[in-house]
Amino acid sequence: QKEVEQNSGPLSVPEGAIASLNCTYSDRGSQSFFWYRQYSGKSPELIMSIYSNGDKEDGRFTAQLNKASQYVSLLIRDSQPSDSATYLCAVNTGFQKLVFGTGTRLLVSP
Amino acid sequence: DGGITQSPKYLFRKEGQNVTLSCEQNLNHDAMYWYRQDPGQGLRLIYYSQIVNDFQKGDIAEGYSVSREKKESFPLTVTSAQKNPTAFYLCASSIPGQSSSTDTQYFGPGTRLTVL
Repeated sequence: QKEVEQNSGPLSVPEGAIASLNCTYSDRGSQSFFWYRQYSGKSPELIMSIYSNGDKEDGRFTAQLNKASQYVSLLIRDSQPSDSATYLCAVNTGFQKLVFGTGTRLLVSP
Repeated sequence: DGGITQSPKYLFRKEGQNVTLSCEQNLNHDAMYWYRQDPGQGLRLIYYSQIVNDFQKGDIAEGYSVSREKKESFPLTVTSAQKNPTAFYLCASSIPGQSSSTDTQYFGPGTRLTVL
């Protein structure tokens, strides 16, 4: 069973701080990795995708991938209350199929 | 506007009834997917289709059926054989990437199904 593991949280950070969200996966053959943000009652929204080892930055968001450790993370700089949501990690294990983690709930307090 | 639409937003079903959830996209995406999300859980794949007139079972296909007669449309039927259908149903489609392992999936707004 191919698995994606996330801490369910909640992860609480003050406004302006850096939020660090982590994800591990079991399939060493995984090629692509995605972070989605999901507000309560809404559908997931793509935040970042990453395919190569290292860091990828997009505005306040940085995705980090370490394939040797089977670890992917998402950093959110200057966290805002509007960032409060559940963040889903998804891993493409081949054949266009994504395996999702259960998500980490982030709470940013003003 | 390009996007993925799902209807209805809310659906109530009596036990023993079949219901069909609609998913339409005008993004010209080849692949479409159906997921189910239960409270506090991740998304689980029900069915997916990479091309018209072809589809494959996902991890939890029992009690569900799909069709893909048009590129733009991928309806999901929840049959009476699905014993616990109350959930949030999400449709997604993907941009063809350089390889099948890099395709990015985008989601519709979802349909919340409740069994009465």
